[in-house]
Amino acid sequence: GNSVTQMEGPVTLSEEAFLTINCTYTATGYPSLFWYVQYPGEGLQLLLKATKADDKGSNKGFEATYRKETTSFHLEKGSVQVSDSAVYFCALRAGTSYGKLTFGQGTILTVHP
Amino acid sequence: DVKVTQSSRYLVKRTGEKVFLECVQDMDHENMFWYRQDPGLGLRLIYFSYDVKMKEKGDIPEGYSVSREKKERFSLILESASTNQTSMYLCASSSQGFGETQYFGPGTRLLVL
Repeated sequence: GNSVTQMEGPVTLSEEAFLTINCTYTATGYPSLFWYVQYPGEGLQLLLKATKADDKGSNKGFEATYRKETTSFHLEKGSVQVSDSAVYFCALRAGTSYGKLTFGQGTILTVHP
Repeated sequence: DVKVTQSSRYLVKRTGEKVFLECVQDMDHENMFWYRQDPGLGLRLIYFSYDVKMKEKGDIPEGYSVSREKKERFSLILESASTNQTSMYLCASSSQGFGETQYFGPGTRLLVL
């Protein structure tokens, strides 16, 4: 079956530090890959996505590249801000599904001034 | 902007009560989903629907049922609430098509006493 594994959290960084959150997946076929973010007290919002191998998704300074050879979609940001403190979820959508998403367990990020 | 609304942000119910959680989307999406979110487990799919009156079980359907009588509305029903159903419940919707984004509501935090 499909699965997503994210790096264990919580992750605590100082402002302007470099961020990497690792995400690897197992899936049949050629999935689409997503990063969602959940700010405190809110639902999930799409942060970025990639639909085929070697695609790079980017938004708000965050980037992730779809690496089929390593089955990975790691999230990176060069300089985090306090406002980036949130829970980050990696997810995949397999092509044969009705749009079902399989999520990782989430990574809590806290950024200190 | 896509809007997904959920009927309550917080609910407190007693064991054995029948509980209705409602979700409405305003973008004419074909697909709608119910997830529950628990710390360390990420989001797990309960049920989804790809058309009016159509429903499919997700990964954890036991103890839940759903109803979709109109395209914009998807209800989650806990037939007899139990304490292990205390959780955050998230509704989402999407268009059909590979790579389509799921849009989430703000969530309902349910406490079953």
